[in-house]
Amino acid sequence: DGGITQSPKYLFRKEGQNVTLSCEQNLNHDAMYWYRQDPGQGLRLIYYSQIVNDFQKGDIAEGYSVSREKKESFPLTVTSAQKNPTAFYLCASSSDRGPGGYQPQHFGDGTRLSIL
Amino acid sequence: EDKVVQSPLSLVVHEGDTVTLNCSYEVTNFRSLLWYKQEKKAPTFLFMLTSSGIEKKSGRLSSILDKKELFSILNITATQTGDSAVYLCAVILTGGGNKLTFGTGTQLKVEL
Repeated sequence: DGGITQSPKYLFRKEGQNVTLSCEQNLNHDAMYWYRQDPGQGLRLIYYSQIVNDFQKGDIAEGYSVSREKKESFPLTVTSAQKNPTAFYLCASSSDRGPGGYQPQHFGDGTRLSIL
Repeated sequence: EDKVVQSPLSLVVHEGDTVTLNCSYEVTNFRSLLWYKQEKKAPTFLFMLTSSGIEKKSGRLSSILDKKELFSILNITATQTGDSAVYLCAVILTGGGNKLTFGTGTQLKVEL
């Protein structure tokens, strides 16, 4: 089945450590996105990529980095510069083909990151 | 600054009730508004609204957009316990990679 796979489901980070969250999609979507969700808040955009080898900062990019070397993959690294990384991280993808040039974003099941 | 505001923040109803969730927005270059349902993990897509005054329906759920007053509502009739979830509203702007700007969500709990 086509979809978006995020791994791991749960991740623990020690102080000063970088961690990488995986996001893979087999929907053949060009665009991919990373969001952060804190309790009682909506989703906030960290980074997005519309095409391979290109990506842009979202609203809260500080302390995070991404790469887009393959169409299917968009990993997110939470660096030690991110002082409050505890959150639920959601990856999404979408296509700009079809009526109106946009299809709704599909989401993965998320990774919950906690600080030890 | 682009803003999406949802109300109420949370709501508790009994099975069989009808609920109306609200979403207002103040954004530049509006393109479309989307509703998602989030239970435990991945938000799942409900509706995308681009034109004013055209109701979209899916079973007991319906939604409509008012581009003049800058808001949308999501109605759920004959609620069931399975409707318990966070309902997220998001706006897409023209240009800028189809990014979504989300509201904080409405937490709906349906009790027996």
